[in-house]
Amino acid sequence: AQSVAQPEDQVNVAEGNPLTVKCTYSVSGNPYLFWYVQYPNRGLQFLLKYITGDNLVKGSYGFEAEFNKSQTSFHLKKPSALVSDSALYFCAVRPGGFKTIFGAGTRLFVKA
Amino acid sequence: DSGVTQTPKHLITATGQRVTLRCSPRSGDLSVYWYQQSLDQGLQFLIQYYNGEERAKGNILERFSAQQFPDLHSELNLSSLELGDSALYFCASSVGAGRDNEQFFGPGTRLTVL
Repeated sequence: AQSVAQPEDQVNVAEGNPLTVKCTYSVSGNPYLFWYVQYPNRGLQFLLKYITGDNLVKGSYGFEAEFNKSQTSFHLKKPSALVSDSALYFCAVRPGGFKTIFGAGTRLFVKA
Repeated sequence: DSGVTQTPKHLITATGQRVTLRCSPRSGDLSVYWYQQSLDQGLQFLIQYYNGEERAKGNILERFSAQQFPDLHSELNLSSLELGDSALYFCASSVGAGRDNEQFFGPGTRLTVL
């Protein structure tokens, strides 16, 4: 079955430290990969996507993600976390076809 | 603000009832998606429309139906409601139907079934 895993329910980092939110996927073919962020009482906001090309993708608000085909991972990173980055982060994959499969989400807490 | 609007924001109803959720996509977007977000199931893809035509179906129950109208707004109809249908329902839109399109989400409709 096709799936997306976000192995950590919550990630805690101190402000100014680098952060990583992990995502692994299990789909057939070449998936298109996305990261979205959800702030309280808001809809999801697009951060970045990987379609093809350079494995390091840069997105909004200083976030970037690294695609690793051999490890089937697409981890979200930021060199220096801000308190305002605290939110719920979702990894999503679109395998062949039109469905979108979302991970369960990882809550990021950045402490001042 | 994503440009996607959803009405109503909140809806409280009783089991067995029928409700309609409405979504207006961003200007210029032809694709509309519906999602259900609940604590136990996470974010589940329900259905996608592109320019009035159904494009993909996900975990949508037979009691649920949707359509996209000529003006591109979409409605999600939920009938014979059960307690377990209580959730946050999101609409999203994108320019095209292809899987490389990022989606823009509305603020959601919170449905409570009593």
